[in-house]
Amino acid sequence: GAVVSQHPSRVICKSGTSVKIECRSLDFQATTMFWYRQFPKQSLMLMATSNEGSKATYEQGVEKDKFLINHASLTLSTLTVTSAHPEDSSFYICSARDRGQNLAFFGQGTRLTVV
Amino acid sequence: AQSVTQPDIHITVSEGASLELRCNYSYGATPYLFWYVQSPGQGLQLLLKYFSGDTLVQGIKGFEAEFKRSQSSFNLRKPSVHWSDAAEYFCAVGAEGSSYKLIFGSGTRLLVRP
Repeated sequence: GAVVSQHPSRVICKSGTSVKIECRSLDFQATTMFWYRQFPKQSLMLMATSNEGSKATYEQGVEKDKFLINHASLTLSTLTVTSAHPEDSSFYICSARDRGQNLAFFGQGTRLTVV
Repeated sequence: AQSVTQPDIHITVSEGASLELRCNYSYGATPYLFWYVQSPGQGLQLLLKYFSGDTLVQGIKGFEAEFKRSQSSFNLRKPSVHWSDAAEYFCAVGAEGSSYKLIFGSGTRLLVRP
């Protein structure tokens, strides 16, 4: 149990366009999800906390207008990278909190390449 | 501020040899501690976690870790490494006392010699 699905796994987009990444909890309800970013050969940095039915909480230095987060249901959070630029190219990973186990489970990540 | 330090960027061991990956954390209270493994281009797989109780924690794939409060450490060990263990390993601590919002170390890349 406790499976988190992230889609797409890879996406290439042109500069200036927007791209949406989905994070779904498949077999549990997740009132809280987290979005992380990982640069090549680096660690995961927490970007924001996504709360169902309310606004996301962003970490210091993360542009909330650039990275739009929507958590409209108990099983889905989306991250939209708006007006993407090559420097937004990165590996984005979500996690979802399973309250029953008091743990967060990670998706498989999305490789975003902006050309 | 909370932090996690993994002092070794790369470690190379021979197949069959023992392994120890180091992790130190900073947090005033008893932390929630985790070890994850990541294969190239993949997500994270949880190896083991420490919440409370026995300070020696057993995980999957033959890994174990020991929580040492006096040293603020949570080192990962395996008695005999397999070639398939080659990957990136991340230590993490629960942020602000949570068990689900995590702060990650910089990672250690494990290379396994045949």
